[in-house]
Amino acid sequence: SAVISQKPSRDICQRGTSLTIQCQVDSQVTMMFWYRQQPGQSLTLIATANQGSEATYESGFVIDKFPISRPNLTFSTLTVSNLSPEDSSIYLCSVVRPWSSYNEQFFGPGTRLTVL
Amino acid sequence: GENVEQHPSTLSVQEGDSAVIKCTYSDSASNYFPWYKQELGKGPQLIIDIRSNVGEKKDQRIAVTLNKTAKHFSLHITETQPEDSAVYFCAALTTDSWGKLQFGAGTQVVVTP
Repeated sequence: SAVISQKPSRDICQRGTSLTIQCQVDSQVTMMFWYRQQPGQSLTLIATANQGSEATYESGFVIDKFPISRPNLTFSTLTVSNLSPEDSSIYLCSVVRPWSSYNEQFFGPGTRLTVL
Repeated sequence: GENVEQHPSTLSVQEGDSAVIKCTYSDSASNYFPWYKQELGKGPQLIIDIRSNVGEKKDQRIAVTLNKTAKHFSLHITETQPEDSAVYFCAALTTDSWGKLQFGAGTQVVVTP
């Protein structure tokens, strides 16, 4: 499996500020995803971040609120802007191994965000 | 789009007993079904998966079965141990979804000694 790290692992932020989350992979991957997991809930896809193209956002998520960068095949950032308490969640990045026979997807450890 | 339902939402089993989690999907074009285990404070871990051309797959104490006709798949954990306590998520992938998984709501499994 791919080794995926996220920074920070957790943070407490004031409302109105922004938090940028980093996702680093130990090998080059084409497909990378960002998910939100609200407390006690399942995973909801925010956007697909493929290198060389603009991120593709799911319904209910917009670029102004969740800008994403994907500068190369091993790294991506997700920014959560203009924070409100409703943004308190775990944010996860995931990747699909390019050598995978069938879309095996692996997740990072997550970033736990609390907004006061 | 795809919709995945997962049951039960919580499951309490005695150590050594078996646990079964069931998921149904709506899109007959779905062809890949992974299962993830999420321990407290960690990201989801892929534990087993099955493709649509296979009916059953086993890996030590865990197994997954797929019934394409009925559009449901199940996770079976035998000889449960306390370290099996976690939240388990099923997911489904369709060929035209560009790698985007649709997740079930999750099952909290508690294994009591």
